Amino acid sequence: DAGVTQSPTHLIKTRGQQVTLRCSPKSGHDTVSWYQQALGQGPQFIFQYYEEEERQRGNFPDRFSGHQFPNYSSELNVNALLLGDSALYLCASSLLRYEQYFGPGTRLTVT
Amino acid sequence: GQQLNQSPQSMFIQEGEDVSMNCTSSSIFNTWLWYKQDPGEGPVLLIALYKAGELTSNGRLTAQFGITRKDSFLNISASIPSDVGIYFCAGRVGGGNKLTFGTGTQLKVEL
Repeated sequence: DAGVTQSPTHLIKTRGQQVTLRCSPKSGHDTVSWYQQALGQGPQFIFQYYEEEERQRGNFPDRFSGHQFPNYSSELNVNALLLGDSALYLCASSLLRYEQYFGPGTRLTVT
Repeated sequence: GQQLNQSPQSMFIQEGEDVSMNCTSSSIFNTWLWYKQDPGEGPVLLIALYKAGELTSNGRLTAQFGITRKDSFLNISASIPSDVGIYFCAGRVGGGNKLTFGTGTQLKVEL
C-alpha cells in the first residue's frame, strides 16, 4: 500500500516564475493538506482540500493556490515566486477529521 | 505564522537514557500530536492525544495532554540510536485539518 507520494523531489526556479507541485494521497484517503517548512522550522499550514474544494486556509497570500482532482490527488501552485518561498513543501493526506500522513516533500529552491 | 514553543531546542543524550521534552502554547488546543522527522523525510505521527489530562503510550514513548490544554509533554525511555531526529509537537483546534507545529526538538544520541 503506497503512502503519500509527491513530485518532483527537488526543484529550482527563478524569482518571478510559477511552480506546480503534485501530491497523490495514501490509498483510501480523501483529504489533502499542504504545508510549507522553512529550514530549521516546523511546518506551516497552507490549505486543506476536501471534495475538490478549499476548506481551510492558513496565513498565505493568494499567490498560493491549489486544486484537488476527482481521484483525490492535488496540486499546489505558487505564482510570482519570491526568494522567501524557498522551502520544503509537504503534502499530508487523511480521511476527513482523522489524522494526517505526510509525504516526503518537495524541496523548492528559488534563486 | 504562529509556532508553538518547544524545549529543549536540542539535546545530546547517552544511549539508554530517558528523554523528556515539552511544548507550550499561548492558546488552547483540542488535540495534541507528536511527530518525528528524519532528514529528507516528512513528519511521522508518533502519538495523538484528544483529551485534557490524557496519558498515552506507544512503545517506549509516552505523551501527556496538559490539563490547561495549552501544553503537552513527550517522554522517551531507554533511548536508542534510531531515536535520533527532530521531534515536533502540533496542536489542532476544532475538526479541521489545520495543524500548528512547534519549533522542534533535535535529539542526538551519543553511543
